[in-house]
Amino acid sequence: QQQVKQSPQSLIVQKGGISIINCAYENTAFDYFPWYQQFPGKGPALLIAIRPDVSEKKEGRFTISFNKSAKQFSLHIMDSQPGDSATYFCAANSGYALNFGKGTSLLVTP
Amino acid sequence: DVKVTQSSRYLVKRTGEKVFLECVQDMDHENMFWYRQDPGLGLRLIYFSYDVKMKEKGDIPEGYSVSREKKERFSLILESASTNQTSMYLCASSEILKTEAFFGQGTRLTVV
Repeated sequence: QQQVKQSPQSLIVQKGGISIINCAYENTAFDYFPWYQQFPGKGPALLIAIRPDVSEKKEGRFTISFNKSAKQFSLHIMDSQPGDSATYFCAANSGYALNFGKGTSLLVTP
Repeated sequence: DVKVTQSSRYLVKRTGEKVFLECVQDMDHENMFWYRQDPGLGLRLIYFSYDVKMKEKGDIPEGYSVSREKKERFSLILESASTNQTSMYLCASSEILKTEAFFGQGTRLTVV
């Protein structure tokens, strides 16, 4: 079964807006939460990651918010740009391999 | 830069054929992974390997096997390809656990 639930499946945001993608998990053993970005024809690439000892991590326009008690984490993309149009995957890891969400297809319109 | 190279971008195979997907990484990573990506299902782990000749089943190993004879190379084998194995296959590697995984560009396999 899917260990990481991701929503929404697709998202359309205007240029300059905020894109928000949410993920939830059940396994409390997860202790590494990355987000991957994938452009068409390419493999996923690490965008930003967080560990559960902090509640927020920011890198440029990208922020992860982490709520350990609710077992939820989210990706915020500030000032969204057309170049951010891609598929985003959240993931969680407690051992060897990453468990991925189903992905969110983001389209940023000009 | 870390490079994970998959031998083919596109493959078309017939039902019942034995199919080999090859993956090579150039950064001496201990861990290597094979994922399958399908629309609406995300990435699902088929097999992973944490050392040469070591392998572990992922979430969907049925119909697949793997081989890791050298540290840099991890092969995915479809023993008898079926149409439901038509998919995008992604190889990845990581140096240590719970750190960045680097992905190849993917192999789009079509089984007819």
